[in-house]
Amino acid sequence: NAGVTQTPKFRILKIGQSMTLQCAQDMNHNYMYWYRQDPGMGLKLIYYSVGAGITDKGEVPNGYNVSRSTTEDFPLRLELAAPSQTSVYFCASSSGAVEKGYTFGSGTRLTVV
Amino acid sequence: GENVEQHPSTLSVQEGDSAVIKCTYSDSASNYFPWYKQELGKRPQLIIDIRSNVGEKKDQRIAVTLNKTAKHFSLHITETQPEDSAVYFCAASIRPDDKIIFGKGTRLHILP
Repeated sequence: NAGVTQTPKFRILKIGQSMTLQCAQDMNHNYMYWYRQDPGMGLKLIYYSVGAGITDKGEVPNGYNVSRSTTEDFPLRLELAAPSQTSVYFCASSSGAVEKGYTFGSGTRLTVV
Repeated sequence: GENVEQHPSTLSVQEGDSAVIKCTYSDSASNYFPWYKQELGKRPQLIIDIRSNVGEKKDQRIAVTLNKTAKHFSLHITETQPEDSAVYFCAASIRPDDKIIFGKGTRLHILP
């Protein structure tokens, strides 16, 4: 099993550009999440999904969009990138079982210049 | 919404000593409290969790305590080792399958 796969690993964007961060899981997990991690600020929830076709906002959704057309994929879209979106982005998935917790992807380091 | 506060932000302890990290949460509906460890340049990984019907849980050198009345919970690491050096995050959630809100993290340094 690959677990949670994120692409790309690194990306530099210019202000105003758009991009999609990809996230795919092969564990048949219903629950998927996007977090951003800024230095000293922990992990902030951007969007989450409890199943295909269902998404909801987290703590910091502004400037982002998501879709969940399949159980496996949960892409994060950045429109009109801003320097404040420079961060490390982690996708995670969960089966909801207590003993398993979240499975995180390896992260995407995004720099907006 | 839920707010999780975590202290201290940085902690240095001598190898072999104990480390304690404390967290508070705001939403009385939260019932699930996981702890994640993130080594440098790596992804966070679950190390232990506790549910609200339990006051304490142990797993080898790691223990978590929960005081639901006071809305605080703590991570205790005994006999610390170099491989314990990492950033530790506490978190809170209403249920294990619900969204998790994380604290800001504690960077733990184990000194030789």
